[in-house]
Amino acid sequence: EDKVVQSPLSLVVHEGDTVTLNCSYEVTNFRSLLWYKQEKKAPTFLFMLTSSGIEKKSGRLSSILDKKELFSILNITATQTGDSAIYLCAVEDGTSGSRLTFGEGTQLTVNP
Amino acid sequence: DADVTQTPRNRITKTGKRIMLECSQTKGHDRMYWYRQDPGLGLRLIYYSFDVKDINKGEISDGYSVSRQAQAKFSLSLESAIPNQTALYFCATGTGVMETQYFGPGTRLLVL
Repeated sequence: EDKVVQSPLSLVVHEGDTVTLNCSYEVTNFRSLLWYKQEKKAPTFLFMLTSSGIEKKSGRLSSILDKKELFSILNITATQTGDSAIYLCAVEDGTSGSRLTFGEGTQLTVNP
Repeated sequence: DADVTQTPRNRITKTGKRIMLECSQTKGHDRMYWYRQDPGLGLRLIYYSFDVKDINKGEISDGYSVSRQAQAKFSLSLESAIPNQTALYFCATGTGVMETQYFGPGTRLLVL
């Protein structure tokens, strides 16, 4: 059974701080790992990672995958209050017809 | 206009009632999914469909059924609602291999 574990489950920081969110996984046939941001509505797509060591970057957010150690990190630099959200990690298993398995999410709160 | 829509957005019902949640998409994706989200448990897959003639159970399908009426429509039914089905329900569409999923706005269901 596929498994995705995110840590920490919750995190409170001040504006301007840098945060690192962790995602470890076990999957039968890894195809990709995805990060989503969920505010008070549906999750929205952030990154898809398929190869180890290649950083994906979008503004202040960046993410990298380590397929040997089976984890990914999501970094947010110079955090802003608008970064407050739940960040979800999911892995795609090619064995199950490319279904996604989600982690519990990390609740990030950025205080002014 | 939203690519993935869900109706209703909020629903309160009583134990034992039958309820249907509907999902429509204009993204042209063959794959559609139903998830429920509960605090501390992340997103859990209820049912998924890879095309109109393909329906599959997810990890928590008991107590639910689905109907894929067309490529663009995927409905979730609770035949006899119970209080522990109180949750936030998301419909999503998927792109296929190297999958990215796109989520609807969610339906908040309360079963009394």
